[in-house]
Amino acid sequence: DAGVTQSPTHLIKTRGQHVTLRCSPISGHKSVSWYQQVLGQGPQFIFQYYEKEERGRGNFPDRFSARQFPNYSSELNVNALLLGDSALYLCASSLGVFLRTNQLYEQYFGPGTRLTVT
Amino acid sequence: QKEVEQDPGPLSVPEGAIVSLNCTYSNSAFQYFMWYRQYSRKGPELLMYTYSSGNKEDGRFTAQVDKSSKYISLFIRDSQPSDSATYLCAMNTGFQKLVFGTGTRLLVSP
Repeated sequence: DAGVTQSPTHLIKTRGQHVTLRCSPISGHKSVSWYQQVLGQGPQFIFQYYEKEERGRGNFPDRFSARQFPNYSSELNVNALLLGDSALYLCASSLGVFLRTNQLYEQYFGPGTRLTVT
Repeated sequence: QKEVEQDPGPLSVPEGAIVSLNCTYSNSAFQYFMWYRQYSRKGPELLMYTYSSGNKEDGRFTAQVDKSSKYISLFIRDSQPSDSATYLCAMNTGFQKLVFGTGTRLLVSP
């Protein structure tokens, strides 16, 4: 079975531009989360979507937005790019979001999109 | 202060050594504790997770959680060069948002 796929693999943009990153979850998974990983740091949570609705948002400016489509794929959009937006953007999919005690919906990460802003 | 603290390393050990990786955290609401492995230019891969306090073993890997001390550990026995990667601890309160440490880079030399 195919894992989480992300496109593009690499992207170079200039300051002020807009970027759209795409993610396809594992078949059957209905939840997608986005994370930003700056070099040398752990991933930082940006958004979570489940059944096309936003279920969580991290501490990121309004320049960051996302959506989930009926086929559960997702887009992350970043406007007015800054140099500090240069990072690896990771998408993770999971079956669901509601947890029972002792049970975890594992998040499967894609390979990421490496964004460089110059 | 970060919610999750992790020594970035690098940690260099010879093949066959026992490796100890650790994280501390400040949010007492965290209930699920995870260890991810990330190879260079790849996404993180879940190794193990533990709910609340206690130990969990999976092959050469053992995860420990001490909620009273807000301290978690991952032990790797008989380390192999293929274990060379960055190890990330992560935790959450029961909702999907994961809070990660900075990651510890592990180098296992033959």
